[in-house]
Amino acid sequence: QVHLVQSGAEVKKPGASVKVSCKASGYTFTTYGIHWVRQAPGQSLEWMGWINTGSGNTGSSQKFQGRVTISRDTSASTVYMELSSLRSEDTAVYYCARDAGAYDYWGQGTLVTVSS
Amino acid sequence: EIVLTQSPGTLSLSPGERATLSCRASQSLSSTSLAWYQQKPGQAPRLLIYGASSRATGIPDRFSGSGSGTDFTLTISRLEPEDFAVYYCQHYGTLRTFGQGTKVEIK
Repeated sequence: QVHLVQSGAEVKKPGASVKVSCKASGYTFTTYGIHWVRQAPGQSLEWMGWINTGSGNTGSSQKFQGRVTISRDTSASTVYMELSSLRSEDTAVYYCARDAGAYDYWGQGTLVTVSS
Repeated sequence: EIVLTQSPGTLSLSPGERATLSCRASQSLSSTSLAWYQQKPGQAPRLLIYGASSRATGIPDRFSGSGSGTDFTLTISRLEPEDFAVYYCQHYGTLRTFGQGTKVEIK
């Protein structure tokens, strides 16, 4: 069975960076891309970017370009999302999701709180 | 950038009733790239419909999707207690976009 397991909650100060991991299991890791989506409290879902787990190529929303870095470790079947220059508006639950066209499997979410 | 507008914002219905949710795109979409998700409080979204009308694995047949071009619809034929949740549409083209969601609440 497919699982995406994310790292635990983080509390960061404004200006810092956060790195969230997403470990995949139950399928061939390099067969599907992984996307990152975030959800601020009470808000809708917001697409951040993605990685082709085979080639390592990445893409991101223009909103996050320059601030988000998505990487992968194929030996560990893990994808990482690093967001820099954090501000209070980045407080949200961050999800990874498997790309089957639509997102057929999701991680459990990681709460990132940005507060001074 | 494609913008998806969902309506209504909130739908108040009773169990057993039919729910009709709308998703309108700012430009014409390929039907193969429209999905619907269900999200309950404290949970990750769950894929219901992909390709505008195909049910994901394990999704009951009371959920159906339809539409093309700029207008898409998610229909829940008879609401069960576990269907009260927030529903999002998504375009999954080169860039990915979500609608703002429709909350289906118990009347």
